[in-house]
Amino acid sequence: DAKTTQPNSMESNEEEPVHLPCNHSTISGTDYIHWYRQLPSQGPEYVIHGLTSNVNNRMASLAIAEDRKSSTLILHRATLRDAAVYYCILRVPSSNTGKLIFGQGTTLQVKP
Amino acid sequence: GAGVSQSPRYKVTKRGQDVALRCDPISGHVSLYWYRQALGQGPEFLTYFNYEAQQDKSGLPNDRFSAERPEGSISTLTIQRTEQRDSAMYRCASSLAPGAGAGSGANVLTFGAGSRLTVL
Repeated sequence: DAKTTQPNSMESNEEEPVHLPCNHSTISGTDYIHWYRQLPSQGPEYVIHGLTSNVNNRMASLAIAEDRKSSTLILHRATLRDAAVYYCILRVPSSNTGKLIFGQGTTLQVKP
Repeated sequence: GAGVSQSPRYKVTKRGQDVALRCDPISGHVSLYWYRQALGQGPEFLTYFNYEAQQDKSGLPNDRFSAERPEGSISTLTIQRTEQRDSAMYRCASSLAPGAGAGSGANVLTFGAGSRLTVL
């Protein structure tokens, strides 16, 4: 499986945008980029996913580089509730497996 | 149910005892996954099922660990002869449709709150 590289930690101020980077230089042409986050003392939760085009949903935006070797999760206005570990995961489009392989993720701290 | 339910939430046991952890997935979800998470680490894949069939058990650490999902709904993860190194948070997740592919929202995993296992 292709691997992802994320910074161990990042800090942000409340109500400012946050850009969480992810490098995946060995991504294949059919791998999807998924983001999950894990709030303190909770299980991981889905945030967003994409293949080539940038994606937006109510939680975040996903910007994917043209060569797909990197992507950025964008939180437009960070709140204290966004403090979590954010995981960038590549998923192969296999038809019968949905398993995720988590890395270490990026721990986001949000300062008031 | 409305979400993925796991029980017990906390389990303290003595070394050498067997433990069984239960997962009740979201109703209608075809796939069920088990993960283990040590403090400060990301979740580590253990095994998963589509319906009642165990599709991948490559993450089970050794033969003391086993899982079943006999009727394609509730699953049990069993750890025999527990050791202190088995202490961790055990998380279950489910997804609606494995055949939908990695790009489909139907393949999104929903996690439960976890079962915290402490082996003394």
